[in-house]
Amino acid sequence: QSVLTQPPSASGTPGQRVTISCSGSNSNIGSNYVYWYQQLPGTAPKLLISRNNQRPSGVPDRFSGSKSGTSASLAISGLRSEDEADYSCAAWDDSLSGVVFGGGTKLTVL
Amino acid sequence: EVQLVESGGGPVKPGGSLRLSCAASGFTFSSYSMNWVRQAPGKGLEWVSSISSSSTYIYYANSMKGRFTISRDNAKKSLYLQMNSLRAEDTAVYYCARGDYYDSEYDYWGQGTLVIVSS
Repeated sequence: QSVLTQPPSASGTPGQRVTISCSGSNSNIGSNYVYWYQQLPGTAPKLLISRNNQRPSGVPDRFSGSKSGTSASLAISGLRSEDEADYSCAAWDDSLSGVVFGGGTKLTVL
Repeated sequence: EVQLVESGGGPVKPGGSLRLSCAASGFTFSSYSMNWVRQAPGKGLEWVSSISSSSTYIYYANSMKGRFTISRDNAKKSLYLQMNSLRAEDTAVYYCARGDYYDSEYDYWGQGTLVIVSS
């Protein structure tokens, strides 16, 4: 049972826009930055969104992040087949004095 | 180019010990906090432990406290994870990742090393 809650799966067709949610609490998302990671099959995670909504160098602007209260979202527009991957959110938790991750969302491009 | 290369994984019996290493290159290792994150087969990511650049600050996930010890050798540009009293549920790919010890921004990750705890 992950501290941050994500839907286990999401899907879309090429060109569509999909969003993945991440729900937490005041001690994590509500008071700290949210980060998103993309994990392609068989590879290590890659930082996708930093500090709620910042894209690291090299990340396409099709990817965007947002945060409101104790929830965050990752949006992917212009969906492409290579976006098929697992997406995880993460945040520091003040109560646990540690990092918490979401359970991950497997995105399928139909 | 930043590189993180883990080693030391493998099979181990329940109750046994294992020491993981992470060799860093391509950046000033002594200036960065480092972390271990694991992923059980078919499961999500789980934070394990973090250590500040000079080892002043160390944090562990509750389920690892007392069993795992994180350390680093800045002269050798290496990060370590000593794992004792291993359990079946510790079976996972263990990644080392660069990032602040008080945050969850991990900008570089290693390829991971697989630990299998089984009798």
